[in-house]
Amino acid sequence: QVQLQESGPGLVKPSETLSLTCTVSGGSISGYYGYWIRQPAGKGLEWIGRMYSGGAANYKSSLKSRLTMSVDTSNNQFSLKLTSVTAADTAVYYCARDDADISGIVHWGQGTLVTVSS
Amino acid sequence: QTVVTQEPSLTVSPGGTVTLTCASSTGAVTSGYYPNWFQQKPGQAPRALVYSINKKHSWTPARFSGSLLGGKAALTLSGVQPEDEAEYYCLLYYAGAWVFGGGTKLTVL
Repeated sequence: QVQLQESGPGLVKPSETLSLTCTVSGGSISGYYGYWIRQPAGKGLEWIGRMYSGGAANYKSSLKSRLTMSVDTSNNQFSLKLTSVTAADTAVYYCARDDADISGIVHWGQGTLVTVSS
Repeated sequence: QTVVTQEPSLTVSPGGTVTLTCASSTGAVTSGYYPNWFQQKPGQAPRALVYSINKKHSWTPARFSGSLLGGKAALTLSGVQPEDEAEYYCLLYYAGAWVFGGGTKLTVL
C-alpha cells in the first residue's frame, strides 16, 4: 500500500529555513498531488499547500511569501521549504497524497515534529 | 479569510448515533467543496474516512456516512463504538486551496 515518510531536521533556529522531504513508497507521486499539513501541539490541522507532480502548486495564502514546494518524480519525493521561521511554525508536519479519482487527501505520513528554537 | 466551523465537542453513548457538521463562512457547502472527513486519535496521524460528500474509502467502517445537511457537510456515526472516540476534522476545497475545520472532539460515554 502507499506509504509516506517525512524527513528533515527536528530543530530549526528562528529566522532560518525549515526544509522537509516526503518519500513515497508503494505507489507513485507521478499523476498525483502531494500535500503538506501541519498541527501545532494540542491544536487542529492546518493545510499548508499542495503540489502536483507536473509542477503546479497551491499555497495557503498567509504562507505564500515564505513557502516553496518542489517535486522530484525520479526519486518519488516532494519537498517543502518555509523561510524566516518563528516559534509559531513549531508543529508536527505531515505529508500526504491524494489518490486516483479522489478529490482530497487519502494517504498520510506519520508526521515529524519540527521545533523552532534557538 | 475563509473559516470552516465544526462543533468543538460532542458526546454520544455507545450504540448511539451522532452527527458532526462542517460549515463554510462563504455560504452553503455544496458538492463543489468536495467535503472530506478524517479521524485522528491521540498520537496518531489522521486517517481518511469520507471524500466527495459521501464516498467511503475501502477501510472506512460502514457505520460512518457522509452527507449534506442544511447547507453543511455532515458525518453521521450510527451504532457508535468505544473506539470511535477521537477528533474528527472536515476539509473543504476553495478553488485550489483546501481548508480544515477546527475539529470536533467526540467522546463516547
